[in-house]
Amino acid sequence: GDSVTQMEGPVTLSEEAFLTINCTYTATGYPSLFWYVQYPGEGLQLLLKATKADDKGSNKGFEATYRKETTSFHLEKGSVQVSDSAVYFCALSDNFGNEKLTFGTGTRLTIIP
Amino acid sequence: NAGVTQTPKFRILKIGQSMTLQCTQDMNHNYMYWYRQDPGMGLKLIYYSVGAGITDKGEVPNGYNVSRSTTEDFPLRLELAAPSQTSVYFCASSYSTEGVKNIQYFGAGTRLSVL
Repeated sequence: GDSVTQMEGPVTLSEEAFLTINCTYTATGYPSLFWYVQYPGEGLQLLLKATKADDKGSNKGFEATYRKETTSFHLEKGSVQVSDSAVYFCALSDNFGNEKLTFGTGTRLTIIP
Repeated sequence: NAGVTQTPKFRILKIGQSMTLQCTQDMNHNYMYWYRQDPGMGLKLIYYSVGAGITDKGEVPNGYNVSRSTTEDFPLRLELAAPSQTSVYFCASSYSTEGVKNIQYFGAGTRLSVL
């Protein structure tokens, strides 16, 4: 079945550091890929998405590129802020008319001033 | 816009008690979902619905029941609460049409403890 593997957390960085959170997936066909973010005490929010190979999703300074050859969708940001502290989830949908999402285990990110 | 609203936010149950977690959305979304989130784990799908009157099991449906009598509401029922059901529960909804799929909108969650 489909699966998503994320780098283990927690991740702690200083403000203005470069961020990478790794995500790889296993799926049949050509899934859509997502990054969701969960701020403390809140539900998940869509951060960015990509629906086909080589697409780059971007939002709020975050970027991720759909790499079919390496089955990856790594999240990056050039300069993190304290307000980016949250849990980040990578997810996929198989696009076979099945609207369900498969989530990774999440990566907790803490940014210190 | 209210989006997806879940009630209650917190609840403590005794083993064997029952309760219903409420979820309502005001976005006229056709799909609705229930997930549970255990510490250090990703979200696991409990049940989902593709429209009023239609529900289907997800990955971890045992011990739960759902109904979808209206487009707006998707309550989750725990009949005989067990400690293994201690978790944070999230309701989500989405509107899927050609070219716009799987952007799910989440509620703020219900934190449930079974003691």
